[in-house]
Amino acid sequence: DTEVTQTPKHLVMGMTNKKSLKCEQHMGHRAMYWYKQKAKKPPELMFVYSYEKLSINESVPSRFSPECPNSSLLNLHLHALQPEDSALYLCASSQDTGQGGNSPLHFGNGTRLTVT
Amino acid sequence: LAKTTQPISMDSYEGQEVNITCSHNNIATNDYITWYQQFPSQGPRFIIQGYKTKVTNEVASLFIPADRKSSTLSLPRVSLSDTAVYYCLVGQSNTGKLIFGQGTTLQVKP
Repeated sequence: DTEVTQTPKHLVMGMTNKKSLKCEQHMGHRAMYWYKQKAKKPPELMFVYSYEKLSINESVPSRFSPECPNSSLLNLHLHALQPEDSALYLCASSQDTGQGGNSPLHFGNGTRLTVT
Repeated sequence: LAKTTQPISMDSYEGQEVNITCSHNNIATNDYITWYQQFPSQGPRFIIQGYKTKVTNEVASLFIPADRKSSTLSLPRVSLSDTAVYYCLVGQSNTGKLIFGQGTTLQVKP
């Protein structure tokens, strides 16, 4: 079990669907992250929220739309995805964005997304 | 950007000590070094973090030389359950980004 909870665990969606991934943490962390991970590759940073404000967007296509409703929740809204977007989507949190990465990341176990 | 370089894969046997070295030649003064472990279909899990010299916790040790251009994760007496991918991550104090390198796949054999 992890302290970062992601739902759903698995998601299959068509290219015209709209869906959302959800992430929740109750550790009082003020930074939250979305990473995307393809098979046998390292996690790739997508978005970073710091104190509920988007601080980093790694040039992610607009069909991915992040939202941070409060300090405990992070959503990733999906629309008009492509089959190549199929991947494991990982949420993480840290105490804050830290100085030089001194605030370790706590990851959920991800949502396995398949786009058909 | 402090890029990290690790061996792609390593093999070991149960009960042996395993050392995985990560190179990070461009590490900045304020950057920390953190190691994560990842099992298939799970998120990475924090193992250990350090800034300089040696850090030890209940599962691993981290050795960082004075120039900080590399670091070595040491896993004592590995077991089959230590088979996983190990990532070295260097904080990017100039951008705030936490970028994973390619990782090392450790295979522990009986």
